[in-house]
Amino acid sequence: QKEVEQDPGPLSVPEGAIVSLNCTYSNSAFQYFMWYRQYSRKGPELLMYTYSSGNKEDGRFTAQVDKSSKYISLFIRDSQPSDSATYLCAMTPLTGANSKLTFGKGITLSVRP
Amino acid sequence: DVKVTQSSRYLVKRTGEKVFLECVQDMDHENMFWYRQDPGLGLRLIYFSYDVKMKEKGDIPEGYSVSREKKERFSLILESASTNQTSMYLCASTLLPVDEAFFGQGTRLTVV
Repeated sequence: QKEVEQDPGPLSVPEGAIVSLNCTYSNSAFQYFMWYRQYSRKGPELLMYTYSSGNKEDGRFTAQVDKSSKYISLFIRDSQPSDSATYLCAMTPLTGANSKLTFGKGITLSVRP
Repeated sequence: DVKVTQSSRYLVKRTGEKVFLECVQDMDHENMFWYRQDPGLGLRLIYFSYDVKMKEKGDIPEGYSVSREKKERFSLILESASTNQTSMYLCASTLLPVDEAFFGQGTRLTVV
């Protein structure tokens, strides 16, 4: 089983839809969870991060972490064509020798006008 | 703003050539990383470095080497390019070992 699994997609939704992007993980030591957004022909950029279970909101974006289920989600409300991008989850134990980010494979989202 | 700059956006090389991909960051970050990104496989870590002249193998180091002579510069070397190394290569840097990663714009390498 891969350490981080992400829905493969692609995903296409109409403008204004609520989007749910999900990742599951197997390593219970993961404590720091991130979502990156990558536009076509660009490098990924950090969108949101959280250290613990619960919700974190930033405008139209909400990151949710359920450590008991080893499941994280990114919700996008009122989706816009400008949200069309690849979204990657990433996570890490934070401590320990050579701790580094483990990425999901990414899901490509297309928001249709 | 942190800036991570990769020397080339697009590169075409022949099989067997030695290839250098250069990455420079301007925020005095200690930690630098090289990834490759392929459809269906996501981001895979090739090598990383937590300090000057220090390097650690990532998940897929075979066929690659790295050099970090200065803090701001991290080079990826393909000793003898092969067609299966055709990919998007992404460099990243972080302030702390595990922290927000700032990525370069990527180098799309094609080996023919």
